[in-house]
Amino acid sequence: IVMTQTPLSLSVTPGQPASISCKSSQSLLHSNGKTYLYWYLQRPGQPPQLLIYEVSNRFSGVPDRFSGSGSGTDFTLKISRVEAEDVGVYYCMQSIHLPMYTFGQGTKLEIK
Amino acid sequence: QITLKESGPTLVKPTQTLTLTCTFSGFSLNTSGVAVGWIRQPPGKALEWLALIYWDDDKRYSPSLKSRLTITKNTSKNQVVLTMTNMDPVDTATYYCAHRRWDGVITTPFDYWGQGTLITVSS
Repeated sequence: IVMTQTPLSLSVTPGQPASISCKSSQSLLHSNGKTYLYWYLQRPGQPPQLLIYEVSNRFSGVPDRFSGSGSGTDFTLKISRVEAEDVGVYYCMQSIHLPMYTFGQGTKLEIK
Repeated sequence: QITLKESGPTLVKPTQTLTLTCTFSGFSLNTSGVAVGWIRQPPGKALEWLALIYWDDDKRYSPSLKSRLTITKNTSKNQVVLTMTNMDPVDTATYYCAHRRWDGVITTPFDYWGQGTLITVSS
């Protein structure tokens, strides 16, 4: 399975919204009704951190300016108002198809 | 508080075997639904999942690397060990271990990560 993110980079003015797309080559909808799509942020020099699980659920401590949406093969991460601390590389990841976990190629967010 | 820390050599020679240890605290690998995985990241590149071991000792490997990987756990020491044989310069990367939880309803893979350890493969 291939996870394709667009854009690969974006530059955003603080306070403005940002959106990242992730498309999978196969549907991520499981027969149990769940969709196994996740979003991570890797800040410079840091390990990745989980932002969103199962498409649209914010992980503990994640600000509500982050939101996830989508279904099937098309997913989106949105930041309602970008802040300086949001700089880094964002990855989507699937966990339904072999190989067991597949990451997108990453989207680098910079501040204007 | 869940923490994980990777340890191992910083430099390995081509063809050698790499052994990495993940030492964790704040959870038990005896707990149903818990797993620990390994993920790597070549410099400037994307993340690549390698292996995962479950509380019940079930194991999963990346198909492309399966022949070279072995993952084991020592629950009394709170450690997970990953070995990778026949190392090559293309295996140069930061190697992370990470916690994964399934509570019977929700799965949160890689919700906690170690800081990573940079492994360089060079003669």
